[in-house]
Amino acid sequence: GEDVEQSLFLSVREGDSSVINCTYTDSSSTYLYWYKQEPGAGLQLLTYIFSNMDMKQDQRLTVLLNKKDKHLSLRIADTQTGDSAIYFCAERGANNLFFGTGTRLTVIP
Amino acid sequence: DVKVTQSSRYLVKRTGEKVFLECVQDMDHENMFWYRQDPGLGLRLIYFSYDVKMKEKGDIPEGYSVSREKKERFSLILESASTNQTSMYLCASSSARGTGGQETQYFGPGTRLLVL
Repeated sequence: GEDVEQSLFLSVREGDSSVINCTYTDSSSTYLYWYKQEPGAGLQLLTYIFSNMDMKQDQRLTVLLNKKDKHLSLRIADTQTGDSAIYFCAERGANNLFFGTGTRLTVIP
Repeated sequence: DVKVTQSSRYLVKRTGEKVFLECVQDMDHENMFWYRQDPGLGLRLIYFSYDVKMKEKGDIPEGYSVSREKKERFSLILESASTNQTSMYLCASSSARGTGGQETQYFGPGTRLLVL
């Protein structure tokens, strides 16, 4: 499978911005996704971006894509305690998605 | 709204038992997937199916089998459960007909399995 890498942990203070980073390996055009997993729950799609775009914004969420470096980031503005969760980036393969290990975001009140 | 349901949220089984995990989706999706999630390893694909009675091995199929007799239902079977199969199991489905990012996967709430 493809290699999708993320750091495991991130802590931010409430009200600050969070930036979660991800690197992927597929050089062909593809879709890249960000999922959120709250405690005890399944994964919920947050947003996605096609690899010919470099930015996508959706309310407090901004996705940045550096295709040359194969680097994807998710920025959450004005982070709230309800944003505490595990965030997974995923890369679309031929038949399925390849997931990173997930980044556990902890928001400190 | 897409709904993917899994038969149990929590399950405790003994080593050697046969275990069935059921997943049902209500959106007429062609593709269905089983993952296991372990701390520090993310999601790993066990099996997937792109049509009724069709199945493909994922990255870690050993010790598992699957069944897809109906389009809406995808079962994961542990023939003889072992302690290293203690994990969170996530089912997902997706449409093969969508284009672009809409082909994303929709996940069930997960089944946390403990094998003693």
